[in-house]
Amino acid sequence: QKEVEQNSGPLSVPEGAIASLNCTYSDRGSQSFFWYRQYSGKSPELIMSIYSNGDKEDGRFTAQLNKASQYVSLLIRDSQPSDSATYLCAVNMIGFKTIFGAGTRLFVKA
Amino acid sequence: DVKVTQSSRYLVKRTGEKVFLECVQDMDHENMFWYRQDPGLGLRLIYFSYDVKMKEKGDIPEGYSVSREKKERFSLILESASTNQTSMYLCASSLRPDTGELFFGEGSRLTVL
Repeated sequence: QKEVEQNSGPLSVPEGAIASLNCTYSDRGSQSFFWYRQYSGKSPELIMSIYSNGDKEDGRFTAQLNKASQYVSLLIRDSQPSDSATYLCAVNMIGFKTIFGAGTRLFVKA
Repeated sequence: DVKVTQSSRYLVKRTGEKVFLECVQDMDHENMFWYRQDPGLGLRLIYFSYDVKMKEKGDIPEGYSVSREKKERFSLILESASTNQTSMYLCASSLRPDTGELFFGEGSRLTVL
């Protein structure tokens, strides 16, 4: 079992819709969780971090964490073509390692 | 803004060559990381360092070594490059070890022939 799992996609949504990206992790001791966005040919950039159960909102982005289910999600409201990218879920594990999922490719159709 | 600079964007090397990938960060971060990124496999941690002269193995350290002589510089070394080390290499830094808030360099695409 991979430590951090994501559906590789591609996930295709129309412009203006809500995109929902999901991630599960295996280490119950993990304390911090992150979403990175990676445009084609570019390096990852941090867009959201979440440390406690519940929702965290930042503009059009909402991160959701459920530690009991070992589940993290990212919602993108009012999706725009510029949101088309690969979204990487990352988990900071015991021992200070940050482990990434393989990423979900998102396409937002104009 | 944090700046993480990788010395080479593109490299082409031959099998058996020794390869150095250099990374410098300008924000006085304690922690630095080397990942490789391959299609379908995502980012995999090779080595990380949480202090000068300290290093820890990540998930795929075989065939690699690292050097951190100064706080701002973290080097990845391929002692004898092999074709299966053809990949995108990403350096990152973070202020604290207990967080995954990483700042990445632009990446170094290495091709080993």
